[in-house]
Amino acid sequence: AQSVSQHNHHVILSEAASLELGCNYSYGGTVNLFWYVQYPGQHLQLLLKYFSGDPLVKGIKGFEAEFIKSKFSFNLRKPSVQWSDTAEYFCAVRNGGATNKLIFGTGTLLAVQP
Amino acid sequence: GAGVSQSPRYKVAKRGQDVALRCDPISGHVSLFWYQQALGQGPEFLTYFQNEAQLDKSGLPSDRFFAERPEGSVSTLKIQRTQQEDSAVYLCASSLGRSGGAQYNEQFFGPGTRLTVL
Repeated sequence: AQSVSQHNHHVILSEAASLELGCNYSYGGTVNLFWYVQYPGQHLQLLLKYFSGDPLVKGIKGFEAEFIKSKFSFNLRKPSVQWSDTAEYFCAVRNGGATNKLIFGTGTLLAVQP
Repeated sequence: GAGVSQSPRYKVAKRGQDVALRCDPISGHVSLFWYQQALGQGPEFLTYFQNEAQLDKSGLPSDRFFAERPEGSVSTLKIQRTQQEDSAVYLCASSLGRSGGAQYNEQFFGPGTRLTVL
């Protein structure tokens, strides 16, 4: 069965620090990969996605992620975080076949201290 | 509105009660999904509709859970004889779901219904 692992459950950073959140998935075929963000009191929002092509994907608010097929990874990065980036971040995978469901990781809670 | 809406936003039920949770997807979206998010966990898939057809219900945890989308738009998730372990946030998502490209499968999420079973 497919699974998604997020290694960091809780991350605390100071403003301007660099961020990297790990995500690994288990499925070996064609995948679509996503990072969703949930700000306090808000619903899940898409941060960025990878379907095909350039493995370095740029999303909103300065976030980017790199798809490394050989490592089954899709890590999220941001060079300099802001207090407003405090949120929970979820990595998700959708296989390339008929199933449209998303498989989510357990999430990483990011707290940015001003 | 332009987004996915869900009602009620909060629901408290006594153990054994039946509940019904509603989802209004984005207009024109063919695909509709329900997910369950327990505290401290990521969302877990429950069921998937394409128009009115329920194509995947593999994630429904028991036969107490039932979902429908009779006219291919609004969907209702019903939980019968609620148990404490049903306490969670229930998320609805919709996508265009048309053929022609993976981009049509981007899922847009609603705010969720937080169900607490006492």
